[in-house]
Amino acid sequence: DTGVSQNPRHKITKRGQNVTFRCDPISEHNRLYWYRQTLGQGPEFLTYFQNEAQLEKSRLLSDRFSAERPKGSFSTLEIQRTEQGDSAMYLCASSLVEATREAFFGQGTRLTVV
Amino acid sequence: GQQLNQSPQSMFIQEGEDVSMNCTSSSIFNTWLWYKQDPGEGPVLLIALYKAGELTSNGRLTAQFGITRKDSFLNISASIPSDVGIYFCAGHFYNQGGKLIFGQGTELSVKP
Repeated sequence: DTGVSQNPRHKITKRGQNVTFRCDPISEHNRLYWYRQTLGQGPEFLTYFQNEAQLEKSRLLSDRFSAERPKGSFSTLEIQRTEQGDSAMYLCASSLVEATREAFFGQGTRLTVV
Repeated sequence: GQQLNQSPQSMFIQEGEDVSMNCTSSSIFNTWLWYKQDPGEGPVLLIALYKAGELTSNGRLTAQFGITRKDSFLNISASIPSDVGIYFCAGHFYNQGGKLIFGQGTELSVKP
């Protein structure tokens, strides 16, 4: 499978714990995006990388959130001190710079904070 | 900020019927995209539109980029049960580095 891969698919955590999600983009794609989707809503942009550089962060990305893409390949999204309001589907997408608008999404990581 | 209003929120139709949904924006976009999302999965790109007035088809799906660049519609002809899912429009603004703005989605149910 050469699509965008996200792990884990599901995560249940207790409030206050830290969680980390991983995204492996399509191999030749140099742009990688993170979105958050809550029930009944469309995805909302969080941040994106071009190669290893993080070029934009949404105001939705509080200080408890951090994303990295250390070698310009896979990316991680960490949430520290999770809150119940963090419960959502976290989606990763990737694209080529030349075809920025055609982003391909992974299956997402469903986070439940209890 | 930029917002997309998608309508209707949900549709219940009989298999074989045609479907139409649309998206309007308070801002001008330079690209409109339509995605379909199945439960527990990520959105899958259906159609991408790049020019005002453009009409593009993908099988039974047809989408148009409005002349004003502030709206788009998606039509599905002769619906089948596997069309069930949530359809999202998304807009891209040229100087925003690939960030997409999504509508709230249209949930489609098809009765066999």
